[in-house]
Amino acid sequence: DGGITQSPKYLFRKEGQNVTLSCEQNLNHDAMYWYRQDPGQGLRLIYYSQIVNDFQKGDIAEGYSVSREKKESFPLTVTSAQKNPTAFYLCASEKPPGTNQPQHFGDGTRLSIL
Amino acid sequence: SQKIEQNSEALNIQEGKTATLTCNYTNYSPAYLQWYRQDPGRGPVFLLLIRENEKEKRKERLKVTFDTTLKQSLFHITASQPADSATYLCALGGMDSSYKLIFGSGTRLLVRP
Repeated sequence: DGGITQSPKYLFRKEGQNVTLSCEQNLNHDAMYWYRQDPGQGLRLIYYSQIVNDFQKGDIAEGYSVSREKKESFPLTVTSAQKNPTAFYLCASEKPPGTNQPQHFGDGTRLSIL
Repeated sequence: SQKIEQNSEALNIQEGKTATLTCNYTNYSPAYLQWYRQDPGRGPVFLLLIRENEKEKRKERLKVTFDTTLKQSLFHITASQPADSATYLCALGGMDSSYKLIFGSGTRLLVRP
């Protein structure tokens, strides 16, 4: 079955440490997205990529970085510059943007501070 | 300022009744609106999409309306079941060339047996 796989499910970060969240899709989708979800808030866009080797900052990109070297993969690094990283992180993919297609989500990674 | 609002209080209804959830927005002009279901600890799952030129969309027990004058979408679940208990998110799209979605914070639905 096609889908999006996020790993790990739970992740703990120490002070000053960078951590990387994995997102892989086998849906052959061009566009991929990273969102952050905090209690009582909507999903907020961190970064998105509409095509391989290209990505754009979303609304809350500070303290995060991404890469898009392969169509299937869109890893997110939470750097030590992100002072409040505790949240639920969701990765999504979409068919070529502009086609009014839904986004397909992974089951998230919950990041906490040690 | 731009806002998208969903009722933050949980909606608690009896099994068999119709659940109606509201999504209101200001200072956006979406070309389409989507509804997603999210279970605890899981990612959202797409349910329905409605375009700005459509008044109503149905899928099995689900119905969505979209009023661009009122800037409001209503999401109905008829003959609700305990298995419908989840958080429901609305998302606005098609507002600029980046194809981003703007998500509401969601409304939690609890269906009592």
